[in-house]
Amino acid sequence: GAGVSQSPSNKVTEKGKDVELRCDPISGHTALYWYRQSLGQGLEFLIYFQGNSAPDKSGLPSDRFSAERTGGSVSTLTIQRTQQEDSAVYLCASSPSGQGLYEQYFGPGTRLTVT
Amino acid sequence: AQRVTQPEKLLSVFKGAPVELKCNYSYSGSPELFWYVQYSRQRLQLLLRHISRESIKGFTADLNKGETSFHLKKPFAQEEDSAMYYCARAYNQGGKLIFGQGTELSVKP
Repeated sequence: GAGVSQSPSNKVTEKGKDVELRCDPISGHTALYWYRQSLGQGLEFLIYFQGNSAPDKSGLPSDRFSAERTGGSVSTLTIQRTQQEDSAVYLCASSPSGQGLYEQYFGPGTRLTVT
Repeated sequence: AQRVTQPEKLLSVFKGAPVELKCNYSYSGSPELFWYVQYSRQRLQLLLRHISRESIKGFTADLNKGETSFHLKKPFAQEEDSAMYYCARAYNQGGKLIFGQGTELSVKP
């Protein structure tokens, strides 16, 4: 079956513009995560959705970042007024509930470059 | 704060040599720990989790609560093991994971 997909694969934007990154999780997976992968920073947790529960937004670095998940499936990460330090690879992952909750399946990522 | 520390950014070994990738975590209860791997131009994927006590691709990892460590080991490294390795721990309850900064393993012929 299809894995986690993300679009676009690459995004170049000018400083100050807004961007939207999309994630399509594996069908049936209840949990969805966003991470940011930067050189020298490893993988940084951003936000976590689990079923109908309120999302865990504790990793969002500023109020310029927001995310939503519609219908328990597709998720969009929005970055407003982008800054150069936002340049990174943004990874989405999904996982099933229960025992498989921690086995996260990652997408290919969106490489964001802010010029 | 709960942390995962991977002290080595790069580890370079020759084929056939033993390899150990270090991971230490901040103590908090009974952690669930994992190793994820990212091969070149591939997606990040789960390699192993400590509760399963499996050996995957010849790799093993033992949880040492006394030393708060979860080092990844393989007795004989292969060139195809070259990749980026991330140690991670579960953050309290729920599926959220805290990742280390990663160690790049390079296995030379």
